[in-house]
Amino acid sequence: GAVVSQHPSRVICKSGTSVKIECRSLDFQATTMFWYRQFPKQSLMLMATSNEGSKATYEQGVEKDKFLINHASLTLSTLTVTSAHPEDSSFYICSAREGSSGANVLTFGAGSRLTVL
Amino acid sequence: DAKTTQPNSMESNEEEPVHLPCNHSTISGTDYIHWYRQLPSQGPEYVIHGLTSNVNNRMASLAIAEDRKSSTLILHRATLRDAAVYYCILGTSGSRLTFGEGTQLTVNP
Repeated sequence: GAVVSQHPSRVICKSGTSVKIECRSLDFQATTMFWYRQFPKQSLMLMATSNEGSKATYEQGVEKDKFLINHASLTLSTLTVTSAHPEDSSFYICSAREGSSGANVLTFGAGSRLTVL
Repeated sequence: DAKTTQPNSMESNEEEPVHLPCNHSTISGTDYIHWYRQLPSQGPEYVIHGLTSNVNNRMASLAIAEDRKSSTLILHRATLRDAAVYYCILGTSGSRLTFGEGTQLTVNP
């Protein structure tokens, strides 16, 4: 089946630094990728939708200058948390969709846990 | 986004069937019904989806009401590994999927 690899699985950084998280579709071409974040004991919150070769579409309330998303190829999307602060500590999860028609089934990565000190 | 309503939590015993309900009274004609589940500290995992007809796969069955305003995810024999948060989500073709609070399923040995 479809596999999405996310890296790193855990990252700890100092306040003020930037962190990049990669999301790769391993055996399919992902025309669209989605980025979510999840705080403890809460549901997933959609942050943005990225389509290969175009600018990401951010959900209301998500700062696009803080969470930079790049989807340069059909198999790779990256999320960069810029100037991270402790409140950015969260579980970041990407997902990918193959094609744009049909039922829109998503394959999710295993998530990246970010801790900002 | 069409909204879904699920119970916060449910309990089951191992090797017994589990019926997880979902109400979606504002579903549109083009909305697919998706179910995903999430184990602790992992990304969500696809379970099943359907549009109008009931669906079966190796993981579960999806029973969709005739008016499509509700659906039920059926795990035929629950195992301890099925303990997870189950999310019922609506989405049209090509749309983004937004998650509600889901149902925390506890499976007792």
